[in-house]
Amino acid sequence: AQSVTQLGSHVSVSEGALVLLRCNYSSSVPPYLFWYVQYPNQGLQLLLKYTSAATLVKGINGFEAEFKKSETSFHLTKPSAHMSDAAEYFCAVIGDNYGQNFVFGPGTRLSVLP
Amino acid sequence: DGGITQSPKYLFRKEGQNVTLSCEQNLNHDAMYWYRQDPGQGLRLIYYSQIVNDFQKGDIAEGYSVSREKKESFPLTVTSAQKNPTAFYLCASGDGSPGQPQHFGDGTRLSIL
Repeated sequence: AQSVTQLGSHVSVSEGALVLLRCNYSSSVPPYLFWYVQYPNQGLQLLLKYTSAATLVKGINGFEAEFKKSETSFHLTKPSAHMSDAAEYFCAVIGDNYGQNFVFGPGTRLSVLP
Repeated sequence: DGGITQSPKYLFRKEGQNVTLSCEQNLNHDAMYWYRQDPGQGLRLIYYSQIVNDFQKGDIAEGYSVSREKKESFPLTVTSAQKNPTAFYLCASGDGSPGQPQHFGDGTRLSIL
């Protein structure tokens, strides 16, 4: 069965610093991978998705993620953190039945310090 | 604008009471989903529906029920059998094609009085 791990339930960075949020997955099939962001008391908003095209995926708000098959990773990065990036971030993989059910990681809360 | 509307935003339940959470989408998506979110646990799937008049249990369906009478609507009922209903509930939809994302509503926060 598919699973997703996110190393670090809480990450703090200074404003202007590099953001790195880690995601590792297990999948018995070539994966489709997603990053979502959630602001307090709101739903999830799609940041970016990997669907077996380019391994480096660019998303909204300056975020990007790199798919590394050998490491089964899909880490999310942003070169320079902004205060507005403070939120919870979820990595997700599509399950075996291709497109029906997602498996979400537990989430990483990002704090941005002034 | 197309999207998913969940109502109400906040809901309170008394002991022994059933409550229904509304989810409506105008994205013309075939598939709809209900998730429960608890702090530190990510999202857990309650029920999902791929087409009208059909739905399947997810990982934590006990104490919940759903219906899918219209493509646009997928209401979730939290029954009195759900002993720990306090959580944030998220509804999502998708077209079901491989690799396509799910789109989420803004959630309903349910609390026990």
